[in-house]
Amino acid sequence: DTAVSQTPKYLVTQMGNDKSIKCEQNLGHDTMYWYKQDSKKFLKIMFSYNNKELIINETVPNRFSPKSPDKAHLNLHINSLELGDSAVYFCASSLEAGSGNTIYFGEGSWLTVV
Amino acid sequence: KQEVTQIPAALSVPEGENLVLNCSFTDSAIYNLQWFRQDPGKGLTSLLLIQSSQREQTSGRLNASLDKSSGRSTLYIAASQPGDSATYLCAVRAAGNKLTFGGGTRVLVKP
Repeated sequence: DTAVSQTPKYLVTQMGNDKSIKCEQNLGHDTMYWYKQDSKKFLKIMFSYNNKELIINETVPNRFSPKSPDKAHLNLHINSLELGDSAVYFCASSLEAGSGNTIYFGEGSWLTVV
Repeated sequence: KQEVTQIPAALSVPEGENLVLNCSFTDSAIYNLQWFRQDPGKGLTSLLLIQSSQREQTSGRLNASLDKSSGRSTLYIAASQPGDSATYLCAVRAAGNKLTFGGGTRVLVKP
């Protein structure tokens, strides 16, 4: 009964490949996010979707494309992977955009590009 | 641009001692501030959420204060236990629905 679940948890892939990370939340939330945690452990927002609509896109390369088929899912597709894409990617959700609600995070997806 | 700083970056205390973790932010126009805990190889667990209109929040041994005007929040953990060892992150939520995170404080509670 995990609230925010993302798969895969670990992913090792070669440079130039295309990969996807999937995220699903069963909390009935309207807003979902993708965050990236780099090697220095800083967490930065990448994207935010509210009811399947993109509301935040933080200067992320075009190689990263989020897709939200419905408000319970927000998948992250990455084209032409580069070494610098190695990081932990966290999916998260909250009840509404712009509100004071708690944000719930998934367990993270560890991406290593070799 | 909002910047969030957490000092110290790492903290080691003997079991039973109280923990004091500091968080400062540069722009006081925030909706709320949230404290998280992150265990190695794990995701983030929300500990406390303080709305901008509140001064503090408490949950069990945890107490978080917020002084919006001075751009500061403090997380107190009473009577620390080895199980409290983790990285603690604070994050502020501002206009645009963005969470801006601090770099975290890595805590080690020694038995």
